Amino acid sequence: AQTVTQSQPEMSVQEAETVTLSCTYDTSESDYYLFWYKQPPSRQMILVIRQEAYKQQNATENRFSVNFQKAAKSFSLKISDSQLGDAAMYFCAYETSGSRLTFGEGTQLTVNP
Amino acid sequence: DVKVTQSSRYLVKRTGEKVFLECVQDMDHENMFWYRQDPGLGLRLIYFSYDVKMKEKGDIPEGYSVSREKKERFSLILESASTNQTSMYLCASSATGLTGANVLTFGAGSRLTVL
Repeated sequence: AQTVTQSQPEMSVQEAETVTLSCTYDTSESDYYLFWYKQPPSRQMILVIRQEAYKQQNATENRFSVNFQKAAKSFSLKISDSQLGDAAMYFCAYETSGSRLTFGEGTQLTVNP
Repeated sequence: DVKVTQSSRYLVKRTGEKVFLECVQDMDHENMFWYRQDPGLGLRLIYFSYDVKMKEKGDIPEGYSVSREKKERFSLILESASTNQTSMYLCASSATGLTGANVLTFGAGSRLTVL
């Protein structure tokens, strides 16, 4: 079974600085999708960014980018120019066959003014 | 602008009670999912459904059942609630896309406390 591991339960960053959240996964498949979701306090979970495993180019969405290392099975999220609104729980997820997602444990990000 | 609606944000139930958690989506999505979220464990899949009247077990189906009589509605049922089912329950839906990427739209969550 596929597993997703987020080894950082909590992270903090100063406003306007850059932070990187780690994620590793285990799979024997060669084609799959990876996601980062954000869950703000008392608000709905939303998609931040996604990556197709067959694409070597790292995905980027404005201030959010990923470092996808397929051989190492690593998928980290970089947030540049951090803002107070980035404070949230972040979940890494892997899409298994049949459209099922497996989630990591989550990383609670605090942004300090 | 709410697209996935969970009927109750907070519920308090007694051990042994039957509990219904309702989820409705207005995006005509084929796929619907129920997850539970616990600190340090992330989200774990309970049940999912690819179509009306279809259901598949997820990773932790024990103690739960589901119903999908209409495409837009997916209900989670706890036949006899127990204290270890105290948790946040998240409903999500997605479309069956050609790209294969299964982007989930989540509801706001239902926090269930079983006393």
